[in-house]
Amino acid sequence: DVKVTQSSRYLVKRTGEKVFLECVQDMDHENMFWYRQDPGLGLRLIYFSYDVKMKEKGDIPEGYSVSREKKERFSLILESASTNQTSMYLCASSLTGANKETQYFGPGTRLLVL
Amino acid sequence: DQQVKQNSPSLSVQEGRISILNCDYTNSMFDYFLWYKKYPAEGPTFLISISSIKDKNEDGRFTVFLNKSAKHLSLHIVPSQPGDSAVYFCAARGKGNTGNQFYFGTGTSLTVIP
Repeated sequence: DVKVTQSSRYLVKRTGEKVFLECVQDMDHENMFWYRQDPGLGLRLIYFSYDVKMKEKGDIPEGYSVSREKKERFSLILESASTNQTSMYLCASSLTGANKETQYFGPGTRLLVL
Repeated sequence: DQQVKQNSPSLSVQEGRISILNCDYTNSMFDYFLWYKKYPAEGPTFLISISSIKDKNEDGRFTVFLNKSAKHLSLHIVPSQPGDSAVYFCAARGKGNTGNQFYFGTGTSLTVIP
């Protein structure tokens, strides 16, 4: 079974703080993703990575950065947290290949920025 | 700009009856479609998928139908069970700024009434 873990289930941070969200997958997947889920907006892609040290912007990258130094780990960084970044953050991983791109999700991190 | 839409935010169905969840998309270049199921406090889990070259895929109680001319996707659950109560997301694969990217709908919350 694929397992995707996220470092925290709940986080409370203050405006302006630097926030790190960590994600680890144990199935040697090439692709990793960070989404945020907001009511009425579904899942929106922030950043993704196809390989170590590679990163690509998704639909809403502003205010975020990412790091992928090892294949199994993909970090999302909020350089200076703002209240509009209060959300549920979901990490996912997948294999590459036609019709193999089912994404496996972690349990999510609910972030509250005060 | 939402490329994948789920226009029904919620649906209630009696146990044993059919649940039909709908999804519409705008991009005719989408080539692969998936349904995910999400319980509270958990990440989405893959349920069923369909390639754009097919119009139906069945897996036990779950069947996905694809109508490419209408750009419409539906998930049928027969018979519905209380354990099916969850939020269902549809997703479509298309070309993002770089490489393949998945676009998610806003979700439909299904309640199966015992």
